[in-house]
Amino acid sequence: AQSVAQPEDQVNVAEGNPLTVKCTYSVSGNPYLFWYVQYPNRGLQFLLKYITGDNLVKGSYGFEAEFNKSQTSFHLKKPSALVSDSALYFCAVRDWQGSTLTFGKGTMLLVSP
Amino acid sequence: GAVVSQHPSWVICKSGTSVKIECRSLDFQATTMFWYRQFPKQSLMLMATSNEGSKATYEQGVEKDKFLINHASLTLSTLTVTSAHPEDSSFYICSANPGDPGLGFYGYTFGSGTRLTVV
Repeated sequence: AQSVAQPEDQVNVAEGNPLTVKCTYSVSGNPYLFWYVQYPNRGLQFLLKYITGDNLVKGSYGFEAEFNKSQTSFHLKKPSALVSDSALYFCAVRDWQGSTLTFGKGTMLLVSP
Repeated sequence: GAVVSQHPSWVICKSGTSVKIECRSLDFQATTMFWYRQFPKQSLMLMATSNEGSKATYEQGVEKDKFLINHASLTLSTLTVTSAHPEDSSFYICSANPGDPGLGFYGYTFGSGTRLTVV
């Protein structure tokens, strides 16, 4: 069975500082990894995905994530946080054969002015 | 890009009534759609996989008779919450995979969600 762990319920960062939201996963075979962002009472917006290729993936709104196979991690990063980045972030995984996503529990990112 | 439209955005209904939520793929065909439920400050829990022209596949613990899923066309899946009760109040989200390299292969597109409140 596949699983995702987001160890932090909340991450606090000051505007302009770099941010990291952690994610580790467990899956059979090669993983397909995703990051989504959710604003209050809204659906999920796609940020980025890793399927194959370069371990550093660049996505929307200046976010990037680094795939680390040995550590089974896919941490989300941004060099300079904005207040508008404050939202709920979900990491998700599926295996190469399946069709369903498994989500982490989510991490609330709060960026203070 | 691929868009999934979900309606209504919010609905309030009385206990014992039924509520239908629609999920449409606007610019692609979706043979499979996914229905999730999200409780406050919690993750998305997959309820069922909706398959066009056949029965939905429900996750363990999800009542098939309570949450009726119909996927009658390649662009529309519906979730009907039957005989709703206050404990069914939640945020419901649908999703589909466009499955086309030009639309984000391996990616999933989500609807905007439906906030259901049963009073």
